[in-house]
Amino acid sequence: AQKITQTQPGMFVQEKEAVTLDCTYDTSDPSYGLFWYKQPSSGEMIFLIYQGSYDQQNATEGRYSLNFQKARKSANLVISASQLGDSAMYFCAMREGSGNEKLTFGTGTRLTIIP
Amino acid sequence: KAGVTQTPRYLIKTRGQQVTLSCSPISGHRSVSWYQQTPGQGLQFLFEYFSETQRNKGNFPGRFSGRQFSNSRSEMNVSTLELGDSALYLCASSLGPDGIQETQYFGPGTRLLVL
Repeated sequence: AQKITQTQPGMFVQEKEAVTLDCTYDTSDPSYGLFWYKQPSSGEMIFLIYQGSYDQQNATEGRYSLNFQKARKSANLVISASQLGDSAMYFCAMREGSGNEKLTFGTGTRLTIIP
Repeated sequence: KAGVTQTPRYLIKTRGQQVTLSCSPISGHRSVSWYQQTPGQGLQFLFEYFSETQRNKGNFPGRFSGRQFSNSRSEMNVSTLELGDSALYLCASSLGPDGIQETQYFGPGTRLLVL
């Protein structure tokens, strides 16, 4: 079974609108972390936001927020007031357990911002 | 603070050759992880090194190997290259396996083309 599922291969959004990128995960470990990365066409993975399984509040980082619904095992990324520079691939990733550096990635969502 | 650097950025090899890729982590980071990214398989974990020891390994053949030096710099080697090894190889560094929150920061990647 897929550990990280991103069901939106591609999305087109008008500039300045908000966008939600979906991510569901599967784990039996009570301790896990969820990450979102942005990958522009240059290839470098840019860290955006982190949410821990024990965190009581949804994470926020500037225009990025994470809609964490633990019971539904979803960790959707919300980008407010989208900009042209937000056009990129977005990956959801999970780390299970402590002391384990391995990240498991989803297949990604290609976001295109339309002027 | 300088980010993660990877050399070379681009590489062209022929089948049967071997290749060595290098990664210099962010200053102070002691954990280095390697990932392979291909259009067909997505992002896959190769291995992780901490304090010159391989702590975790992904599901790759023995042709893929790595090592870490005392200054935390890491190299990965692929022997007897196959066409399917063509990929973007990403290196990521973090402070170390101190907890689930530890964020990995990625380098720009090395694009390997095997002919």
